[in-house]
Amino acid sequence: QQQVKQSPQSLIVQKGGISIINCAYENTAFDYFPWYQQFPGKGPALLIAIRPDVSEKKEGRFTISFNKSAKQFSLHIMDSQPGDSATYFCAASVNNDMRFGAGTRLTVKP
Amino acid sequence: KAGVTQTPRYLIKTRGQQVTLSCSPISGHRSVSWYQQTPGQGLQFLFEYFSETQRNKGNFPGRFSGRQFSNSRSEMNVSTLELGDSALYLCASSVETGVNTEAFFGQGTRLTVV
Repeated sequence: QQQVKQSPQSLIVQKGGISIINCAYENTAFDYFPWYQQFPGKGPALLIAIRPDVSEKKEGRFTISFNKSAKQFSLHIMDSQPGDSATYFCAASVNNDMRFGAGTRLTVKP
Repeated sequence: KAGVTQTPRYLIKTRGQQVTLSCSPISGHRSVSWYQQTPGQGLQFLFEYFSETQRNKGNFPGRFSGRQFSNSRSEMNVSTLELGDSALYLCASSVETGVNTEAFFGQGTRLTVV
């Protein structure tokens, strides 16, 4: 049972463009929503995270938008760069039980 | 500060054998979680340990087990290996403060079952 659904599976964006990845969750008990970035051969690394008491969080070029009523959240990468090319995972967690989306492979073309 | 260390990095085993993977968390981190990553299923939660006790468990068969030692180091064991167990096994550690906190991942152990 997939508790976090992520789309799209893959995404190709031109350098300087905006990358948008969407996630939806089912369990309303989730209270922590991180995004992870993973490069080949490496473990996932935390990019940015949000808690459900805020609707948006921005860190540099990365922004999470959170819609509690719709049980959806998304990652926006502004001014996408080739170095952003990686696989991105959204996740949702409660009591340190973290469930991941299936991942989005982002390719930023120069 | 050293990151999460997983050993070994690569492992090849035969069907039916058992395997033990090791994870050393970041110093001071008391929560350790294990995940299985495959191209088809993504990151699947196996279990989470805190203070030598399993607190959370994912939907994996009993062949998958783990434990945590008093120094927070953790091991996971897979018995009676199947071809489908071939995957990247990731360990993540976090500081336990009673609420969800950032999980730091190791580089994983790549297990191949032949």
